[in-house]
Amino acid sequence: SQQGEEDPQALSIQEGENATMNCSYKTSINNLQWYRQNSGRGLVHLILIRSNEREKHSGRLRVTLDTSKKSSSLLITASRAADTASYFCATAMQGGSEKLVFGKGTKLTVNP
Amino acid sequence: NAGVTQTPKFQVLKTGQSMTLQCAQDMNHNSMYWYRQDPGMGLRLIYYSASEGTTDKGEVPNGYNVSRLNKREFSLRLESAAPSQTSVYFCASSERGRQYEQYFGPGTRLTVT
Repeated sequence: SQQGEEDPQALSIQEGENATMNCSYKTSINNLQWYRQNSGRGLVHLILIRSNEREKHSGRLRVTLDTSKKSSSLLITASRAADTASYFCATAMQGGSEKLVFGKGTKLTVNP
Repeated sequence: NAGVTQTPKFQVLKTGQSMTLQCAQDMNHNSMYWYRQDPGMGLRLIYYSASEGTTDKGEVPNGYNVSRLNKREFSLRLESAAPSQTSVYFCASSERGRQYEQYFGPGTRLTVT
């Protein structure tokens, strides 16, 4: 069973707009990670946020974490056509073993 | 550095055939993982290895076996392939498990007819 659930399942925006994706999870976590997957490729790590952090930035990416609501959001600002990909959240559960649990992903399409 | 490499890239098997998917990493990582990805799904963990010499079951281990041959290599074996094992298989590695990011290989697209 999957721990994280992304919302929306699909998102289509115009170049230059911001894209926001959400992730909800069920149990207490150690950290939460976001990954990108371009069509036909492996996943690429974007950002990791620890359970004691509330917000983190990396370039045009902003991730927030609300442990009280068990949710996280990924914001991509000033999106580009090259941002078209699927985005997955992955959670590392507290007290869990050496593994991440991935959600089903949000498919983002950025139209030029 | 090549990162994580997987062979083969594509494979077609008949039901009942066996095969081994190979994975190697050159980042000196301790932990390695095998996932499968089905259409519209996220990644589901098949097996993982927290360190050389150890392996543990993930969410969907049935029908698979693994070998952590050494620190670099982690192979996945299908002893008797079934159509339900048609999927894209990804290998990943990380420095020490859940505290760290995972690095993924390019995937193996497997079709079982």
